[in-house]
Amino acid sequence: AQKVTQAQTEISVVEKEDVTLDCVYETRDTTYYLFWYKQPPSGELVFLIRRNSFDEQNEISGRYSWNFQKSTSSFNFTITASQVVDSAVYFCALSLSGYSTLTFGKGTMLLVSP
Amino acid sequence: DAGVIQSPRHEVTEMGQEVTLRCKPISGHDYLFWYRQTMMRGLELLIYFNNNVPIDDSGMPEDRFSAKMPNASFSTLKIQPSEPRDSAVYFCASSPIAGSTGELFFGEGSRLTVL
Repeated sequence: AQKVTQAQTEISVVEKEDVTLDCVYETRDTTYYLFWYKQPPSGELVFLIRRNSFDEQNEISGRYSWNFQKSTSSFNFTITASQVVDSAVYFCALSLSGYSTLTFGKGTMLLVSP
Repeated sequence: DAGVIQSPRHEVTEMGQEVTLRCKPISGHDYLFWYRQTMMRGLELLIYFNNNVPIDDSGMPEDRFSAKMPNASFSTLKIQPSEPRDSAVYFCASSPIAGSTGELFFGEGSRLTVL
């Protein structure tokens, strides 16, 4: 069975600090997909990124970047120069090829103060 | 375009009452998912449908929970009788293709409190 672990329950930073959210996954499958979702205070989950297991290239999107390392089964998410609007709960998730469901981590609550 | 629409947004009920949560997926999406979010257990998949057919309901906690999708634009999640431990936020999500390759579009959730 697959598992996603987000060891950081809550992180507090001051605006403009960089912050990294950790995600470690477990699966015996060789083909899988990794996701990050954001849950702002309004409640809905918003898709941020999807990565397949064959693509280990790191990705950057504005202030967001993702570091995928199969050797350590990690898919970490870094926010550069954090802003108050980044305050949210962030979920890492895993899906196996051929399956339609996502297994979510418990989430990391990020609090960015001015 | 309208996103996934859930109702009610908030529901407070007493133990033993029937609760019905509703979801309208995004038009054209073939997959519909019901998730439950609690502090203790995080986000759990309850059931999902493909083309209105339930595919996997192994996450449904017990017989008190049932879900239906009578047509492509409507799904319900029913709890009867409700219990305090059912208090949670229930999310509906839809996807145009299988979740492993496509993103899920979530509704804003229905926050259920059972007293």
